[in-house]
Amino acid sequence: GNSVTQMEGPVTLSEEAFLTINCTYTATGYPSLFWYVQYPGEGLQLLLKATKADDKGSNKGFEATYRKETTSFHLEKGSVQVSDSAVYFCALGLSESNQGGKLIFGQGTELSVKP
Amino acid sequence: DSGVTQTPKHLITATGQRVTLRCSPRSGDLSVYWYQQSLDQGLQFLIQYYNGEERAKGNILERFSAQQFPDLHSELNLSSLELGDSALYFCASSVDRAYNSPLHFGNGTRLTVT
Repeated sequence: GNSVTQMEGPVTLSEEAFLTINCTYTATGYPSLFWYVQYPGEGLQLLLKATKADDKGSNKGFEATYRKETTSFHLEKGSVQVSDSAVYFCALGLSESNQGGKLIFGQGTELSVKP
Repeated sequence: DSGVTQTPKHLITATGQRVTLRCSPRSGDLSVYWYQQSLDQGLQFLIQYYNGEERAKGNILERFSAQQFPDLHSELNLSSLELGDSALYFCASSVDRAYNSPLHFGNGTRLTVT
């Protein structure tokens, strides 16, 4: 079936460290891939997306590349800040035969950045 | 602020009861999605509506039902509640029904079943 697997958290880093959160997926067809971020007490917000193989999504210093050959969409940031502390969700978007759509989310990875 | 409004923010009720969660989508968005977030199951897609019609269905229990009204707001009805239904319920909206359109999430309704 269709699924998303993320590295388990929590991930704890010092400020200005390099961040990688691994995400791999299983899907039929040609999904779009997303990273969403959830700050405490809030809903999810779109961080970045990629709609086809080799696309790179980027936003706020974060980036991820859609790798079809390895079915991966790893999230990276060169220098994290305390304000990046949140839960990060990888997701894949699938079309539905009745012309709807849905996102399937990974389990989320909590990131904690210490000053 | 995503522009998606969910009410109420918190709901505490007893087993066997029925509750209604309400969602107003972002202005201009025609699709509404419902998700359930719990510690053991993560974020589970429940159902999608587009312009008043059901478009996609996920792991939604038969005890749960939803609808989208002509003004595009949506309600999620949960009945015969069980302890395991305690979770954070999110509504999200998008401008169209395409699977690769970004979703805009509300802040959720936290349901506690005692």
